[in-house]
Amino acid sequence: AQSVTQLGSHVSVSEGALVLLRCNYSSSVPPYLFWYVQYPNQGLQLLLKYTTGATLVKGINGFEAEFKKSETSFHLTKPSAHMSDAAEYFCAVSFQYGNKLVFGAGTILRVKS
Amino acid sequence: DVKVTQSSRYLVKRTGEKVFLECVQDMDHENMFWYRQDPGLGLRLIYFSYDVKMKEKGDIPEGYSVSREKKERFSLILESASTNQTSMYLCASSPPRAADNGYTFGSGTRLTVV
Repeated sequence: AQSVTQLGSHVSVSEGALVLLRCNYSSSVPPYLFWYVQYPNQGLQLLLKYTTGATLVKGINGFEAEFKKSETSFHLTKPSAHMSDAAEYFCAVSFQYGNKLVFGAGTILRVKS
Repeated sequence: DVKVTQSSRYLVKRTGEKVFLECVQDMDHENMFWYRQDPGLGLRLIYFSYDVKMKEKGDIPEGYSVSREKKERFSLILESASTNQTSMYLCASSPPRAADNGYTFGSGTRLTVV
């Protein structure tokens, strides 16, 4: 079985500060990992994904995430927060040939001016 | 641009009503999913379908049913709406190996049952 834990249901940062959203997964097979973003009253949009290959993955809007197998983590970072980054972020896990994703509970990011 | 379209953004229904939530995708995807989203609980899978007329229960199917008569359309049915079904409902679709590219989501339907 697979599962995802997102540490911190709410994260608050100042504009221009580093964004770090934490995601840890549990999987008995090599994982495929995803980050999605949801702006208020909208659906989820794919930010980035890791399947195989390079462990540092770059996504849209300046976000990136690093797959660390030894730590079973896939944390999302952005060097400098912008007001427009305020949203809810979801980490998800699957595996090769998987037909479903398992989602974490989400982290709401607040950006202070 | 690929799209998943949910027929209503906001819906208000009365307790006991039969409610239909419609979802249409234009990507020829085999898989389609219905989730509900509640604060602090993340996304919970209600039902999914991997082919026309095929369906599987997700984590919280009680009180819901689904219909997939055509590949592009996946309907969620609340047989007798109750106030505890007030929620945001999200539809998604994917190719058979969802892990390759993830899901494409619709914009959601915020349902209020009064």
